[in-house]
Amino acid sequence: GNSVTQMEGPVTLSEEAFLTINCTYTATGYPSLFWYVQYPGEGLQLLLKATKADDKGSNKGFEATYRKETTSFHLEKGSVQVSDSAVYFCALSDEEGKSTFGDGTTLTVKP
Amino acid sequence: GAGVSQSPSNKVTEKGKDVELRCDPISGHTALYWYRQSLGQGLEFLIYFQGNSAPDKSGLPSDRFSAERTGGSVSTLTIQRTQQEDSAVYLCASSLGTQNIQYFGAGTRLSVL
Repeated sequence: GNSVTQMEGPVTLSEEAFLTINCTYTATGYPSLFWYVQYPGEGLQLLLKATKADDKGSNKGFEATYRKETTSFHLEKGSVQVSDSAVYFCALSDEEGKSTFGDGTTLTVKP
Repeated sequence: GAGVSQSPSNKVTEKGKDVELRCDPISGHTALYWYRQSLGQGLEFLIYFQGNSAPDKSGLPSDRFSAERTGGSVSTLTIQRTQQEDSAVYLCASSLGTQNIQYFGAGTRLSVL
């Protein structure tokens, strides 16, 4: 079956530090890949997505590139802010419609 | 509607009782998903609907869990004879189609005493 493995947290960074949250996946065919974010007290929402190999998703300074050769979709941001503190979920949707989420990585950014 | 709506937002029930959780997707979204999020854990995929049909029910944890969707809109997740391990936040999401962006509801927090 499909699986998503993401970097275990929690991750604590100082403001303006560089962020990487690793995500690798296992799936047959050509899944779509997503990063969702859950800010404190709020619901899950899409951060960015990529639908085919070598696509780069970007939003709010975050980026992730769909790497089929390494089955990865690592999330990066060059300079994090306190407001980026949240739980980040890597996810995939396969061609049959089934979704698989990672366990989530909690990010805390300190001023 | 403006977003995915779930009700109730909180449900406290006694062990052995049945519960029904409701999800109103965004109008026009053909795909609807149910997930379970237990404390400190990730999202567990339960079931999805494309229209009114559920192609894959293998994510449902046991035969006490069932879900239906009528009219391509509202969906109900039913848990029979609830157990304490069923306590979790149950999330619903909808999308224009499979492999599209999913829009999540605020969830139903179920507590089984």
